[in-house]
Amino acid sequence: GAGVSQSPSNKVTEKGKDVELRCDPISGHTALYWYRQSLGQGLEFLIYFQGNSAPDKSGLPSDRFSAERTGGSVSTLTIQRTQQEDSAVYLCASSLYFGGAVETQYFGPGTRLLVL
Amino acid sequence: GQQLNQSPQSMFIQEGEDVSMNCTSSSIFNTWLWYKQEPGEGPVLLIALYKAGELTSNGRLTAQFGITRKDSFLNISASIPSDVGIYFCAGRANTGNQFYFGTGTSLTVIP
Repeated sequence: GAGVSQSPSNKVTEKGKDVELRCDPISGHTALYWYRQSLGQGLEFLIYFQGNSAPDKSGLPSDRFSAERTGGSVSTLTIQRTQQEDSAVYLCASSLYFGGAVETQYFGPGTRLLVL
Repeated sequence: GQQLNQSPQSMFIQEGEDVSMNCTSSSIFNTWLWYKQEPGEGPVLLIALYKAGELTSNGRLTAQFGITRKDSFLNISASIPSDVGIYFCAGRANTGNQFYFGTGTSLTVIP
């Protein structure tokens, strides 16, 4: 079946502008994660959604970052007033939530954000 | 957030050689995952482990869930050029649904 999709695949923006990144999880996966990966680095957790529960926002680096998930499916990560240090690859992953826990994560291809 | 200790950081090997890498954590995990990431792509799941002591293979790849539940190993046998990439481990603890990632092992295979 279809995997996790993300759009756009690349985004170049000017410092101070707002950007929206979109994630379409695997159908039926109720858990959705956003991560940030800077050049040559590991994955930095940003936010986690599970069903209708309040999201775990503990990884968001500042109040310029926010995310929402509409209808328990598609998610949008918004970065307001972008800064050059926001340049990174933003990865989305989804998981099947079963028996009170998530199973394995499946990643999308990422959105490469460059802030000039 | 917590990061796992993954080693080695990078490896340069001859085609045909075997590869070993590992991940350790200060916490007990219930799930260990191994991913491979190629340039410009998202991480692709290679192997998932759910039980202490579990040994699972996927072609030339074999991974083990450590008995202490604080470590995991990934072995690649008879490496080939297309094995090139960055390999990440990830673990999930008993409480919560957050995954913690290793810092990655960059593998270069010399033909």
